Amino acid sequence: QSVLTQPPSVSAAPGQKVTISCSGSSSNIGNSYVSWYQQLPGTAPKLLIYDNNKRPSGIPDRFSGSKSGTSATLGITGLQTGDEADYYCGTWDSSLSAWVFGGGTKLTVL
Amino acid sequence: EVQLVESGGVVVQPGGSLRLSCAASGFTFGDYTMHWVRQAPGKGLEWVSLISWDGGTTYYADSVGGRFTISRDNSKNSLYLQMNSLRTEDTAFYYCAKDIPGWVGIDCWGQGTLVTVSS
Repeated sequence: QSVLTQPPSVSAAPGQKVTISCSGSSSNIGNSYVSWYQQLPGTAPKLLIYDNNKRPSGIPDRFSGSKSGTSATLGITGLQTGDEADYYCGTWDSSLSAWVFGGGTKLTVL
Repeated sequence: EVQLVESGGVVVQPGGSLRLSCAASGFTFGDYTMHWVRQAPGKGLEWVSLISWDGGTTYYADSVGGRFTISRDNSKNSLYLQMNSLRTEDTAFYYCAKDIPGWVGIDCWGQGTLVTVSS
């Protein structure tokens, strides 16, 4: 059972938009910065979003992040088949004194 | 180019010990907090531990506290994870990862090293 809750799977057609939610509490998302990671099959995770809504260099603006209260959302527009991957949210939990990840969301581009 | 290369993953019996290493290059290693994150085969990411830039602050997940010890040698640009009293549930890929200052994210990950705990 993960501290951060994500839907197990989402799907959408190529070219469409999808959002992935990440729900937490006041001890984690509500009080810290959220980051998002993409993990393609058989590879290491890759940072997509940090500090709630900032993109590292090289990450296209099709990827966006937002945070409101104790929830965060990853948005992906103009879906491509290459976006099929597992996506994870992460943040620091001040009550646990631990970094926490969501359980992961598998994106299928139909 | 930032590179993190883990090593040390092997098959070990339950109750055994193992030390993982991570060689860092392409950045000023001693300036950054570092993490270990693991992933059991077919499962999600699980954070294991972090160590501050100077080694003065460490945190551990409850699942490994008291059994694992994170350390670093800034003169060697290296991160370590000493794993004792290993359990079958510790079987996973172990990733070394670099923190973004301010703990706003983890921006660089190694390729991972596989630890298998099995009799």
